[in-house]
Amino acid sequence: RKEVEQDPGPFNVPEGATVAFNCTYSNSASQSFFWYRQDCRKEPKLLMSVYSSGNEDGRFTAQLNRASQYISLLIRDSKLSDSATYLCVANKAAGNKLTFGGGTRVLVKP
Amino acid sequence: DTAVSQTPKYLVTQMGNDKSIKCEQNLGHDTMYWYKQDSKKFLKIMFSYNNKELIINETVPNRFSPKSPDKAHLNLHINSLELGDSAVYFCASSPWTREGQETQYFGPGTRLLVL
Repeated sequence: RKEVEQDPGPFNVPEGATVAFNCTYSNSASQSFFWYRQDCRKEPKLLMSVYSSGNEDGRFTAQLNRASQYISLLIRDSKLSDSATYLCVANKAAGNKLTFGGGTRVLVKP
Repeated sequence: DTAVSQTPKYLVTQMGNDKSIKCEQNLGHDTMYWYKQDSKKFLKIMFSYNNKELIINETVPNRFSPKSPDKAHLNLHINSLELGDSAVYFCASSPWTREGQETQYFGPGTRLLVL
């Protein structure tokens, strides 16, 4: 079993709609969590950190459920430019060692 | 200005050759990393250096040898290349914290194809 698992998608989303997807992590020692975004043939870039209380950044909302060991990302009012692969990332406390999920591909269509 | 740069961007080579990929960051970060992204798009850490000292060394064949001449550079040398080494290699950097909550900044990647 992978340490961080994601539905690979693709999630086909009409422009303006809301899309949400989860990722699960198996290592209960994971301390910090992130969502990274990766465009086709580009490098990953941090989208947002995920805090225990949940956090919002514009149209993006991230939630963490430690009891069930999953993280979610919700995108409201989807834009065409939101089309990308979203990588769920977990980090244990020591050493800045990020463990990436395989990514969830989102395609926003007009 | 490019924050994390890698050279070359593309590398096509024959099996058995030795090649190097260079990485430089101008962000003043203490920590640098090498990741491998395979054809299934899984991104896995290979190595991490903090102030030129190796701190993460995943289960990577010893044909892969990282070298950090200073904290702004982390190069990756690969000996005796194999077909399975074909992948995209990303360099990254971040400030160092014990809690590991700092953002990692990735370079544009080096696409390696071994024939």
